[in-house]
Amino acid sequence: SQTIHQWPATLVQPVGSPLSLECTVEGTSNPNLYWYRQAAGRGLQLLFYSVGIGQISSEVPQNLSASRPQDRQFILSSKKLLLSDSGFYLCAWSVGTGRETQYFGPGTRLLVL
Amino acid sequence: AQSVTQLGSHVSVSEGALVLLRCNYSSSVPPYLFWYVQYPNQGLQLLLKYTSAATLVKGINGFEAEFKKSETSFHLTKPSAHMSDAAEYFCAVSGLSGSASKIIFGSGTRLSIRP
Repeated sequence: SQTIHQWPATLVQPVGSPLSLECTVEGTSNPNLYWYRQAAGRGLQLLFYSVGIGQISSEVPQNLSASRPQDRQFILSSKKLLLSDSGFYLCAWSVGTGRETQYFGPGTRLLVL
Repeated sequence: AQSVTQLGSHVSVSEGALVLLRCNYSSSVPPYLFWYVQYPNQGLQLLLKYTSAATLVKGINGFEAEFKKSETSFHLTKPSAHMSDAAEYFCAVSGLSGSASKIIFGSGTRLSIRP
């Protein structure tokens, strides 16, 4: 069966520090991968998605970037965090083309102080 | 283009009462529609999915949703609420972008259950 992991689960970082969040998927090949952000009391905002290694599509211009160095690894990064980067970051995967279901990881809670 | 509107950011029902969470969608193509549930500090879990087959879709935990094209609605119901149903619920519609599925989420409805 497929599983999705996110690391770390919780992170507290000072403003201006770098960020690296990792997402890995097991049990499937060539998944589509997604990064979402969920601000407190708000819905989900799609940040990036990837259909293959090295292929990244950005949905919202911002302080963040994403990379996909391996087939089942998706990384969310920032060179300098802002207060507004605080939130709950969710990684998701799907397979195939078309309108397939997305399956979500457990999330990373980021607090920027 | 696709969009989703969830009516009511917070719904409170008594334990054992009917749960009704409202969702209206807009889609330029025949929609795929989803309901996800999120428990505190966890990721989203798929409750059910509509893919143009049966209009009444049954999901996990006793939930079901009915697709009504004429009303552009996909409301989520459960006959009898349990305390464990307290969570955030998201309605979503699937769009297309190249070869990857894109899901547009509603703003969510927080369901509270009164003892």
